[in-house]
Amino acid sequence: AQSVSQHNHHVILSEAASLELGCNYSYGGTVNLFWYVQYPGQHLQLLLKYFSGDPLVKGIKGFEAEFIKSKFSFNLRKPSVQWSDTAEYFCAVTINTNAGKSTFGDGTTLTVKP
Amino acid sequence: NAGVTQTPKFRILKIGQSMTLQCTQDMNHNYMYWYRQDPGMGLKLIYYSVGAGITDKGEVPNGYNVSRSTTEDFPLRLELAAPSQTSVYFCATEGSDTQYFGPGTRLTVL
Repeated sequence: AQSVSQHNHHVILSEAASLELGCNYSYGGTVNLFWYVQYPGQHLQLLLKYFSGDPLVKGIKGFEAEFIKSKFSFNLRKPSVQWSDTAEYFCAVTINTNAGKSTFGDGTTLTVKP
Repeated sequence: NAGVTQTPKFRILKIGQSMTLQCTQDMNHNYMYWYRQDPGMGLKLIYYSVGAGITDKGEVPNGYNVSRSTTEDFPLRLELAAPSQTSVYFCATEGSDTQYFGPGTRLTVL
């Protein structure tokens, strides 16, 4: 079974700092990759996704992620974080032939200090 | 267009009680999912459905049951609540290879 690892459980940054959250998965076949965000008290929302094509994908709110197949990684980045980016971030992987079932990482809590 | 709605938002159960968590969607998506989210953990798939009348177990199905009589509704049933089922439960649908989540139900079993 595939697994998803998010290496940072809690990240604390000051506003305007750059962000990179790591995500690695353990499946050798074709996958779809996602980053979701969960703001305090809200449900999960899709930030961005990768299915195929350009491995650098851009999402909402200035976030981007790069798929590196050789490293089984899909790291999330943002050049300059804002206080409003404080949230929990989840990486998820779906195997194409697996009825769309996603495996989620344990999440990374991002706290941005004003 | 409400998307995915879940009721109730909060619930406290005693050990051994039963309840049904409701999930309704108005996006006409065939695929629906139930997840639980425990503190500090990611989402674990409980059950899923690929269409009306079809359901299957996910990663953590024990203690739960589901039904899918219509495209819109995908209720999750707890028959004998246990403290280990204290969690936040999310329902989701899938369209265009992307999942859409409901607001969640926070369940506490005492």
